[in-house]
Amino acid sequence: EAQVTQNPRYLITVTGKKLTVTCSQNMNHEYMSWYRQDPGLGLRQIYYSMNVEVTDKGDVPEGYKVSRKEKRNFPLILESPSPNQTSLYFCASSLSQELAPRELFFGEGSRLTVL
Amino acid sequence: AQKVTQAQTEISVVEKEDVTLDCVYETRDTTYYLFWYKQPPSGELVFLIRRNSFDEQNEISGRYSWNFQKSTSSFNFTITASQVVDSAVYFCALSELVGSSNTGKLIFGQGTTLQVKP
Repeated sequence: EAQVTQNPRYLITVTGKKLTVTCSQNMNHEYMSWYRQDPGLGLRQIYYSMNVEVTDKGDVPEGYKVSRKEKRNFPLILESPSPNQTSLYFCASSLSQELAPRELFFGEGSRLTVL
Repeated sequence: AQKVTQAQTEISVVEKEDVTLDCVYETRDTTYYLFWYKQPPSGELVFLIRRNSFDEQNEISGRYSWNFQKSTSSFNFTITASQVVDSAVYFCALSELVGSSNTGKLIFGQGTTLQVKP
């Protein structure tokens, strides 16, 4: 089954404790991206990757890191989480975005709470 | 700046009613793409449609239809004969170009929560 898989789906952590949200897709997609969803603010892009080894900042990258060492994986790293990073996180992938915007396939979301 | 406005925060209808979800966008790009996504109570985001700015034909897919009007910068979504399973949050989104390059980023509206009652 074609899918984008995120882990963990739910996590409660404390301020400053490093964590990684993994994202893996099995559709051989070139493009991957992370969004966060917050009430009243909608969905905002954190980071994106046009292809392996190519990543760039989105609208709200502060406090996050990413890496794209393999085509299928795009982990989101919170080096020192803070309460304002409490949110619902979505990983997404798509065919190449080089020529035209393509539809994104989203994971099921990871709900993160930072105390 | 590019912006998507979904003025209807919540809509409640009774099953079998038709319902239209409004989407108004702002962009200075001449070439752009518009999308609709559905977020059911389970939380995932499901792609519904992608439309480019050069194609103003309306589209119908089963009970779903979309009306794209460039003159009013709107891309409205209509569900005919709504069903309880249509209850979800619906997002309209606009593709953003950085310079002349596509970054794949979508600008999302705030979403419209649709509740369909039996």
